[in-house]
Amino acid sequence: AQTVTQSQPEMSVQEAETVTLSCTYDTSESNYYLFWYKQPPSRQMILVIRQEAYKQQNATENRFSVNFQKAAKSFSLKISDSQLGDTAMYFCAFIAGRGTYKYIFGTGTRLKVLA
Amino acid sequence: SAVISQKPSRDICQRGTSLTIQCQVDSQVTMMFWYRQQPGQSLTLIATANQGSEATYESGFVIDKFPISRPNLTFSTLTVSNMSPEDSSIYLCSGQGANEKLFFGSGTQLSVL
Repeated sequence: AQTVTQSQPEMSVQEAETVTLSCTYDTSESNYYLFWYKQPPSRQMILVIRQEAYKQQNATENRFSVNFQKAAKSFSLKISDSQLGDTAMYFCAFIAGRGTYKYIFGTGTRLKVLA
Repeated sequence: SAVISQKPSRDICQRGTSLTIQCQVDSQVTMMFWYRQQPGQSLTLIATANQGSEATYESGFVIDKFPISRPNLTFSTLTVSNMSPEDSSIYLCSGQGANEKLFFGSGTQLSVL
């Protein structure tokens, strides 16, 4: 069975600094997709970044980038130049291949950006 | 990316009553999902709704308690029936878009007295 583990329940970072959120997963699948979602206090889940397992290049979206280590089954999120608006719950998620519909979510990391 | 309008955003209900949550998508979506989320916790999948067929429920969730409607590719409802305080939670609908991306409604915060 696939699992997603986020070992950091809470983190804080000073505004303008860089922070890295950890995520590990377990699967026997070779083709899968990984995501980071952000959930601010408004409750709206927002897709931050997506990574395809067969792509070696790490995905980036503006200030957000990932360190995808397939052999280690690790998928960390780096937030550069942290902003107050980055304060949110961050969830790592996994889905195996195409044509499947079971998304596996981690337990989340609550990030607080300090002024 | 698609946008889901979910309503109500919050409600306070009496024990024994039912509440129907609606989600309207601004584009056609094959698969929709309903999740429950306790504050500060992860998402728990209630059921998967495919247009034109009965929803598929996860272990611990039954159709009599959480009936789901999916009349077309842009709309779905979840009803929480015969509510008890244990049903107090956040309910989220989502749809699967291109490239396996999930997009979400803004959630319904339900409190049962």
